Amino acid sequence: AQSVTQPDIHITVSEGASLELRCNYSYGATPYLFWYVQSPGQGLQLLLKYFSGDTLVQGIKGFEAEFKRSQSSFNLRKPSVHWSDAAEYFCAVGADSGGSNYKLTFGKGTLLTVNP
Amino acid sequence: DGGITQSPKYLFRKEGQNVTLSCEQNLNHDAMYWYRQDPGQGLRLIYYSQIVNDFQKGDIAEGYSVSREKKESFPLTVTSAQKNPTAFYLCASSIFPSDTQYFGPGTRLTVL
Repeated sequence: AQSVTQPDIHITVSEGASLELRCNYSYGATPYLFWYVQSPGQGLQLLLKYFSGDTLVQGIKGFEAEFKRSQSSFNLRKPSVHWSDAAEYFCAVGADSGGSNYKLTFGKGTLLTVNP
Repeated sequence: DGGITQSPKYLFRKEGQNVTLSCEQNLNHDAMYWYRQDPGQGLRLIYYSQIVNDFQKGDIAEGYSVSREKKESFPLTVTSAQKNPTAFYLCASSIFPSDTQYFGPGTRLTVL
């Protein structure tokens, strides 16, 4: 079965600074990879996804993520953070969980605080 | 506008009562899902349905039930057998089971 680890529970950055949120996964093959963002009391919004091809993927709101097979990682980056980026970020891995059942497994999330 | 709607946004119930959460989508998606979110725990899969009139248990199905009588609707019932039902519940859908999942706005259930 697959698993996802987001090592940082809470990150604080200053507005305008760069951001990198870490995500590591465990799975025997290359899974589908996703980053979602959640504002307080809201649903999840898809930021970007990786299925195959170019390992650097661009998403909405100026975010990008890079798939590194050798490190089993899919880290999310943004060159300059805006105050509106403050939210919780979830990494997710989609893969077969056995019996041809596809399953999306989520990390526990990283809460981003942006200081003015 | 196409999307996923969940109602109500906030729900309060007394302990021992069953409660049903609504999830409707007009995206013509085949697959629908229910997740439970607790603080610091990420999302955990309760039930999912790949097609009308069919559904499977997820990781934490005990104390919950679902139905899928229409493609657009996937209601979740939280029964009195669920030991700790207070949580944030999220519904999602995808075109087919291994495609990208899109989420509704969620329902916060509080059992008093």
